[in-house]
Amino acid sequence: QKEVEQNSGPLSVPEGAIASLNCTYSDRVSQSFFWYRQYSGKSPELIMSIYSNGDKEDGRFTAQLNKASQYVSLLIRDSQPSDSATYLCAPDHLYNTNAGKSTFGDGTTLTVKP
Amino acid sequence: EAQVTQNPRYLITVTGKKLTVTCSQNMNHEYMSWYRQDPGLGLRQIYYSMNVEVTDKGDVPEGYKVSRKEKRNFPLILESPSPNQTSLYFCASARTGDGYTFGSGTRLTVV
Repeated sequence: QKEVEQNSGPLSVPEGAIASLNCTYSDRVSQSFFWYRQYSGKSPELIMSIYSNGDKEDGRFTAQLNKASQYVSLLIRDSQPSDSATYLCAPDHLYNTNAGKSTFGDGTTLTVKP
Repeated sequence: EAQVTQNPRYLITVTGKKLTVTCSQNMNHEYMSWYRQDPGLGLRQIYYSMNVEVTDKGDVPEGYKVSRKEKRNFPLILESPSPNQTSLYFCASARTGDGYTFGSGTRLTVV
């Protein structure tokens, strides 16, 4: 089993719709999670951090963390073509079984069609 | 501007010729890490450093070396590059408990 698994893509949604990206993790020690957006040929960019159970909203983005289910999600409301990218999920590198080692999900590629 | 600077952005080299990819951050971050990204394999960690003079192996360390003599710099050294090290490389840094700031990447081709 992979340490971090993301829902297989690619995911395609129409402009204005809600895009839902999901991530499950295996290390119960993990405390915090991060979502990164990576445009093709570019470096990943941190877009959301979530440190505790529940929801965290930032503009059109909402991250949800459920530690009991070992599940993290990212919702993008009113999706725009500029949201088309690959989204990577990653737990915190410090609070895990192997402090310092970091693992990323393989990413979900989102396409928002005008 | 807070940033992670990688150099070079592009590099074509020949098998066996030692090379160094530099990485520097200006945010006083304790943690720094190197990754390679290959199609279908995602981001894989090569080496990381929790602080000055503290480095450890990630998931794919074979063929690479690192050093952390200063907090801001974390160079990646390929002593004898081989074609299977052709990849897109990213350096990243983070404050303890925070997400990463990535460099712009280095596209390396070994022929």
